[in-house]
Order: sequence, then C-alpha cells, then structure tokens
Amino acid sequence: QLQLQESGPGLVKPSETLSLTCTVSGVSISSRSYYWGWIRQPPGKGLEWIGSIYYTGSTYYNPSLKRRVTISVDTSKNQLSLKLSSVTAADTAVYYCARLGDKVPAAIGAFDIWGQGAMVTVSS
Amino acid sequence: QSVLTQPASVSGSPGQSITISCTETTSDVGGYNYVSWYQQHPGKTPKLMIFGVGNRPSGVSNRFSGSKSGNTASLTISGLQAEDEADYYCSSYASSTTVVFGGGTKLTVL
Repeated sequence: QLQLQESGPGLVKPSETLSLTCTVSGVSISSRSYYWGWIRQPPGKGLEWIGSIYYTGSTYYNPSLKRRVTISVDTSKNQLSLKLSSVTAADTAVYYCARLGDKVPAAIGAFDIWGQGAMVTVSS
Repeated sequence: QSVLTQPASVSGSPGQSITISCTETTSDVGGYNYVSWYQQHPGKTPKLMIFGVGNRPSGVSNRFSGSKSGNTASLTISGLQAEDEADYYCSSYASSTTVVFGGGTKLTVL
C-alpha cells in the first residue's frame, strides 16, 4: 500500500532551520513518472507549493521560498527531505509531502498521494 | 509565475449543481493545461478530485467534473450532497515543472 509519512520536530525556534523527512512506502521513489513534492498550509489558510524533486535530484522551488529551501532525495532509503532556513512565525504550518505526476501514465501535474502532514510551529 | 484566482466562497442546496471557477493570470498561457482540483475537509489531507482539466481519478464520484475555457478552469459538482461541504483548491502545473495553487474556495451546502 502506497503511503507517505512526514517526520521531524514539531517546534522550531525563529532563525533556525526547519528539517522534515518524508518516508515513502509501497512504491519506489525512483519511479520515472513522478516527482515528489512538499506543500505547506498555515493554520486557517490555503495550500502553498514549496518545491519538488525528481529521483535524479533535479529540483524545482517556489520562487518566493527559493533562497531558503533545500529539497533532497535519498533513493536508498526511499525518502525525501525538506530544509527551510531562517524560519519565522510565518513559516508555522502543516507541511505535507506528496507524489506529483509528471509523465503518462501518471496524472500529470497532480498530487495524487499525500502524507498525513506534519504540524511545525515556529516559536521561541 | 502564474496566479490562480478562485472565489472565496460558494454555496448551494442539496441536489443542486455548483461551479467553482479558477482564473489564471500569467504570461505563460500555453502552460495552463494541467489543472487539478483538490477537496479538503476540515483537519483532513487534501484529496485529488480532478486532474488534466477534466479527468477523474479512480474512486472519485462522477458528480465531480472539470472543464476549461480560455484562462478559466471550472469545477462543477452536480447533485450536491452534505458531504461535499469542504474547501476546494485548484492548481496549475506550468512550464519548468512549477506548481501554483489557487487561494481556495469554501463550499457551503445549505
């Protein structure tokens, strides 16, 4: 059964780096039809795409976050990771990892499988 | 980068049909073909409802349909049910493999 599970600290201090890991089970992260992405949702607000990564390591980031974001992939562990530096209270959100279709037969451009999300609070 | 504009809220009575619009403003008009729609109930994970403008994933009710005209994509829900009350988000998968989400629309079933 395909599952994504986010993990990491639920509390991060301002100016520090937020780090999350997404463990993928039930399918290889090295599938050529998919990217893997991070999306966040501040409390009471909408969804914001953070960035996506291909199993080869190619990355694409939201221009508004690009200076602070690093997404990486570890194919041996079937995991992807997110690092967001210099965090502020505005980075408090639920962080989701999800599978993004890129080539047929995938649902191109769609996040079809999501993790349950990890709530991260930025506070001293 | 694209900007996707959705109405903040829509409402309808059980059994009726409603449509949620998603208008794209960008210089990259040609990339607005991979439009997806997500349903999110309070406290829950978003669920993919429509991809590629008008395709439904397996298991999604055929009461949900998607379309596009020019720079505006639409999600239509027919035979509205109480369980459809949720937030709905559109997204666009543009060139350079970037993703943009609309601001979201709260659907209220009266």
